[in-house]
Amino acid sequence: EPEVTQTPSHQVTQMGQEVILRCVPISNHLYFYWYRQILGQKVEFLVSFYNNEISEKSEIFDDQFSVERPDGSNFTLKIRSTKLEDSAMYFCASSEGLEEQFFGPGTRLTVL
Amino acid sequence: AQKVTQAQTEISVVEKEDVTLDCVYETRDTTYYLFWYKQPPSGELVFLIRRNSFDEQNEISGRYSWNFQKSTSSFNFTITASQVVDSAVYFCALSEAQEMTGANSKLTFGKGITLSVRP
Repeated sequence: EPEVTQTPSHQVTQMGQEVILRCVPISNHLYFYWYRQILGQKVEFLVSFYNNEISEKSEIFDDQFSVERPDGSNFTLKIRSTKLEDSAMYFCASSEGLEEQFFGPGTRLTVL
Repeated sequence: AQKVTQAQTEISVVEKEDVTLDCVYETRDTTYYLFWYKQPPSGELVFLIRRNSFDEQNEISGRYSWNFQKSTSSFNFTITASQVVDSAVYFCALSEAQEMTGANSKLTFGKGITLSVRP
């Protein structure tokens, strides 16, 4: 069964460093999303991406964040200068359209 | 603005008990979708069900059943004869259809309910 994959599973970085989280969505899906979940809290929407551009973003998704689909398979989230409060689980999701969003296993980001 | 409220934070039951997880939502849209996701201790988000706003039929899938009532803006989830493997955090979520892209908009999640099933 096709699934969304994410790498790495765990990333540890120093405050101020740049990180890139990678996702491979399900191959025939056209809509891509990033969410984050701070430990013990609810899942929060960051950004959605369609047709090579951002279709919606939350107020969390400030200038420090960017997304890219560099090729036909990867979908990346970049955090330019990480802060302690960026420590969270980051989930990538994809969907065909009005169907459900399928989530990847997540990348746990720890900022020291 | 859309909002999902899961008033219960933690529920603990003994195996084989039935348990109902409550979800109340707010939206101004007439077309929207409701979801339940399960997050086991391993951390991934597992899709359980999706309902659209025009389909109020209750659904049953094995030990799981869902009760969607537009009149009370609720989408409750019942696990019958609970098992230890049901122990997880359960999230209710809402999305509104985006006419521009033809897709669901962002998922808005509730805070989640931690269910513990004791043997």
